[in-house]
Amino acid sequence: EVQLVETGGGLIQPGGSLRLSCAASGFNVPKSYMSWVRQAPGKGLEWVSVIHSGGSTYYADSVKGRFTISRDNSKNTLHLQMNSLRVEDTGVYFCATDDVLGQWLAYWGQGTLVIVSS
Amino acid sequence: QSVLTQPPSASGTPGQRVTISCSGSSSNIGGNFVYWYRQLPGTAPKLLIYRNDQRPSGVPDRFSGSKSDTSASLAISGLRSEDEADYYCATWDNSVNGRVFGGGTKLTVL
Repeated sequence: EVQLVETGGGLIQPGGSLRLSCAASGFNVPKSYMSWVRQAPGKGLEWVSVIHSGGSTYYADSVKGRFTISRDNSKNTLHLQMNSLRVEDTGVYFCATDDVLGQWLAYWGQGTLVIVSS
Repeated sequence: QSVLTQPPSASGTPGQRVTISCSGSSSNIGGNFVYWYRQLPGTAPKLLIYRNDQRPSGVPDRFSGSKSDTSASLAISGLRSEDEADYYCATWDNSVNGRVFGGGTKLTVL
């Protein structure tokens, strides 16, 4: 059974840094396409970043240069390093993975809340 | 402001068929697959349709997807009260070189 568990959210001041983690089980992180998707309070979904099985990474323009997606193959874990945080980065951050059948974001975690506020 | 345009709301009565549209451009929907997700309040989204018109295992055939040129649609037939949720389309955008979501459509079952 595929499971994704996000951790690392919290309250942080503008300009600060935070590192989110997503512990995966039931599949092999290095062989998967994995994404971060966020949702501001009362707003819609916003795709943040994806890392492909080959290691290529892609980012939304809103986070490019500030966020870095990575994975720890030995721990089967996905990370999102968030620097220079802004108030508009506030929201629930979901980790999600595609499956081998080409089903984008077939599995999701429960999300972790990030609040950027002074 | 999303590059994919969805109506903010839609509604129908139980048993009815409703459609939700997703409008894009040649740089996104026009050249890539479309995916649809449903999100109930306070929960993570769930994949409903992948690669334009394919249903994952476990998704009822009441849900169907289609795509034509730079637009896509999600149709829900035999509407039920539990279909009341937010629905999102998504695709790859060649211009921004990333995945994009529509703004979402809140479906109300009257």
